[in-house]
Amino acid sequence: KQEVTQIPAALSVPEGENLVLNCSFTDSAIYNLQWFRQDPGKGLTSLLLIQSSQREQTSGRLNASLDKSSGRSTLYIAASQPGDSATYLCAFYNQGGKLIFGQGTELSVKP
Amino acid sequence: DTGVSQDPRHKITKRGQNVTFRCDPISEHNRLYWYRQTLGQGPEFLTYFQNEAQLEKSRLLSDRFSAERPKGSFSTLEIQRTEQGDSAMYLCASSSPRVAGAPYNEQFFGPGTRLTVL
Repeated sequence: KQEVTQIPAALSVPEGENLVLNCSFTDSAIYNLQWFRQDPGKGLTSLLLIQSSQREQTSGRLNASLDKSSGRSTLYIAASQPGDSATYLCAFYNQGGKLIFGQGTELSVKP
Repeated sequence: DTGVSQDPRHKITKRGQNVTFRCDPISEHNRLYWYRQTLGQGPEFLTYFQNEAQLEKSRLLSDRFSAERPKGSFSTLEIQRTEQGDSAMYLCASSSPRVAGAPYNEQFFGPGTRLTVL
C-alpha cells in the first residue's frame, strides 16, 4: 500500500523561526511530489510542485526538497510569520496519476 | 478562467437524505478527480474521469455514491441515503491533458464542499 507519513503532526513556533516539515513515502516509484497549504475549513492551495527529475523547488520563503532514493521530502519555511499558520499537506502522484496524501502537519506561528 | 469551482460550498442534511454536489473544472482540462477529506486526515482519492469516461473508483466509493461527467465538462457526485460517516469535505480537482512520456500533470483543486450529516 502506498503511504505518506508527515512528521510532526503539529508544530508551534514563535514568529521569525525557520522550520522544517518532514514527509516520507513508501513508494520510490513516485512521479511528481506536491506540497499544499490548507486553512481551516478551506480547500487546498498548491505551494510547490517538484517533478520526479528535480531535487528541489523554491518559492519566496519556501523551499521543498525531494530525495526519491530515501523516500523523503522536506518543506523549509524561512522567517515564519503568523500568516503561515495552517495545515501543510504533502502528496505524491503515483503511477496512475492519483495524488496520495499524508495526514498533514498543523503549524501554528505565535506572534 | 477562474479555476475549479464547486457548488454548494456547504451542505447540511439529515441522515437518509440524498445530496448532489457539482464540480466545474478548468476549461479544457480533460481529467477530473474527486477526493474526500475527513476531519484531521489528508484527502483520499474517490474516483476520476478522463473526458466523460470514469476510469477508476476507489473502494471508498460505496454503492451509495455515484459520479458522472456526462459531456466531459462538469461533474456531479451524488450520495444516496446519507449516513453520519459521510460527513466530510469533498474536493474536486482537474488537470490538463498529459503529454506522452511526461509525468502526470498538476492537479488544481476547487474550494471543496463541506457536507454535514445530522
